[in-house]
Amino acid sequence: DAGVIQSPRHEVTEMGQEVTLRCKPISGHDYLFWYRQTMMRGLELLIYFNNNVPIDDSGMPEDRFSAKMPNASFSTLKIQPSEPRDSAVYFCASSSPLADNTDTQYFGPGTRLTVL
Amino acid sequence: RKEVEQDPGPFNVPEGATVAFNCTYSNSASQSFFWYRQDCRKEPKLLMSVYSSGNEDGRFTAQLNRASQYISLLIRDSKLSDSATYLCVVNRGNAGNMLTFGGGTRLMVKP
Repeated sequence: DAGVIQSPRHEVTEMGQEVTLRCKPISGHDYLFWYRQTMMRGLELLIYFNNNVPIDDSGMPEDRFSAKMPNASFSTLKIQPSEPRDSAVYFCASSSPLADNTDTQYFGPGTRLTVL
Repeated sequence: RKEVEQDPGPFNVPEGATVAFNCTYSNSASQSFFWYRQDCRKEPKLLMSVYSSGNEDGRFTAQLNRASQYISLLIRDSKLSDSATYLCVVNRGNAGNMLTFGGGTRLMVKP
């Protein structure tokens, strides 16, 4: 059974460029989360979706960040324009609390973003 | 005050040692508690859930004290492969399945 899939695994871009990160959750999971991890701030929740609907985006740093979930098997996180301080590892996670009877979240391998 | 606080370590222990990590959380409405493990340059993975009665999984024992809002993880007979960062995780007590992650405690087991 495939886990959470993220692409690309690594992204190096220049300041001002648009960056799009992609995520495919575990099939059947109805919650999807986007996190950012840095040494200084640890793991921070950016936004999460339930049944493809954004529920809480209070963690999104600013208007340069946007996320969409057009269907149950795909989500994107976009940064436009990117800045060096956006350099971090971005994780996508999914869960199915009602079906699994647990809040456990399953993480993808992450996208390591470097903005020069 | 952070919602979930952990000693960042590192804890440097020899193989075979017993090591304990502690964590405190601030949200009294939290209902679910976990320990996740994160290896260097990898994603966090669930190590074990933590139940009020305490629970054990092989060499790992987790305890929860709701009154003190305190969670612990005990690792017995440490192995080199236990070297990782251990993240204390609590839910936010709402219906949205949101989790709050501690900053992690780094463990290094040496031969």
